[in-house]
Amino acid sequence: GQQLNQSPQSMFIQEGEDVSMNCTSSSIFNTWLWYKQDPGEGPVLLIALYKAGELTSNGRLTAQFGITRKDSFLNISASIPSDVGIYFCAGQPFTGAGSYQLTFGKGTKLSVIP
Amino acid sequence: NAGVTQTPKFQVLKTGQSMTLQCAQDMNHEYMSWYRQDPGMGLRLIHYSVGAGITDQGEVPNGYNVSRSTTEDFPLRLLSAAPSQTSVYFCASSGRGSKYEQYFGPGTRLTVT
Repeated sequence: GQQLNQSPQSMFIQEGEDVSMNCTSSSIFNTWLWYKQDPGEGPVLLIALYKAGELTSNGRLTAQFGITRKDSFLNISASIPSDVGIYFCAGQPFTGAGSYQLTFGKGTKLSVIP
Repeated sequence: NAGVTQTPKFQVLKTGQSMTLQCAQDMNHEYMSWYRQDPGMGLRLIHYSVGAGITDQGEVPNGYNVSRSTTEDFPLRLLSAAPSQTSVYFCASSGRGSKYEQYFGPGTRLTVT
């Protein structure tokens, strides 16, 4: 199946710092999504991207759909303690058949040091 | 709206037992899915449904059955539990206009001994 490589696997940052993480694939994706998961909870959708080159913000979060359609990036500005959690990228591979299935990355675990 | 609800929250089974994980959504969503989450593995799709009466297999379907008799409910059945099925299970749903934007339930943590 399709594979998504998400990096970094984990990161420790100081409160107030900016954060960048990314997701790459060897094949083309039609849609990219970013989710956040708090401990003991289900993932929550942060941003959805549908067009190559698209740049979308949600508060302090900004995500981009890479122009090659093989990658996506998530940036968090001025991190705060509640940003702690696991961030997952997910993509809908280009299959030409209108597939509903998503492929998920393995997550980036973010820790914020006050 | 309650969104996506899952029961039970926790469950311990013995090898060979069967059980059903319940999932319900009150958003009138057509699409529903079951995922399992294992440490370091991300989320893997077990089964999914694009509407009542229609189900299909995902990446890891073996040992699991699903049915979709109503739009609201999408139960996941473990036929004969095995230790390899110890995991956290998430149900998700999405609507026709934004089918990739999935809403997740709070999860069921299952341990098979």
